[in-house]
Amino acid sequence: QVQLQESGPGLVKPSETLSLTCTVSGASITSYYWNWIRQPPGQGLEWIGYIYYSGGTNYNPSLKSRVTMSVDTSKNQFSLKLSSVTAADTAVYYCARGRPADRSFDYWGQGTLVTVSS
Amino acid sequence: QSALTQPASVSGSPGQSITISCTGTSNDVGDYNLVSWYQQHPGKAPKLMIYEVSKRPSGVSNRFSGSKSDNTASLTISGLQAEDETDYYCCSYAGSSPNWVFGGGTKLTVL
Repeated sequence: QVQLQESGPGLVKPSETLSLTCTVSGASITSYYWNWIRQPPGQGLEWIGYIYYSGGTNYNPSLKSRVTMSVDTSKNQFSLKLSSVTAADTAVYYCARGRPADRSFDYWGQGTLVTVSS
Repeated sequence: QSALTQPASVSGSPGQSITISCTGTSNDVGDYNLVSWYQQHPGKAPKLMIYEVSKRPSGVSNRFSGSKSDNTASLTISGLQAEDETDYYCCSYAGSSPNWVFGGGTKLTVL
């Protein structure tokens, strides 16, 4: 059974860096695309970007200047850093597994709410 | 504003069928047969319901079906049940960045 679990601070101050980690169990991280997707309160979903096990990345252009993703294959984890956050970055952040063959997201974490506030 | 356009809400009575549309452009929905649909209950993670326009993952009811015509994809739910009442999102691969685009979501009400 594939499971993903997000972890990280639930409160970040404006202008600081949001940092989250996703721990994958039940599947090796050395395949598939590993994604971050967010959902502001009461709004729709936004794809942030993905990282491949080899370290290759692709980010949403709207966030690219502030996003950094990394992967730790030894721990079966991947991470997100979003710098210079504002209140507009307040959202539930999900990690999700992406399937290269059909470009769908088949397993998701439960999501973690990150609030940007002083 | 979301990249893909969905109706904000749809409704239907138990047993009936409903269709949710998802309109994109020739750069996403129209260019790739890589549309997926997600069901999201309040406070829960999205669940994959349809991939590659019309394929169902194992365990998803055959009451859910998908199709596409030109730049518009559709999700049809037949034999509506109370448990279907929740939010649905479409998503399309778009090739170049952003690689994936989502719809704004549709709230389904079972009357």
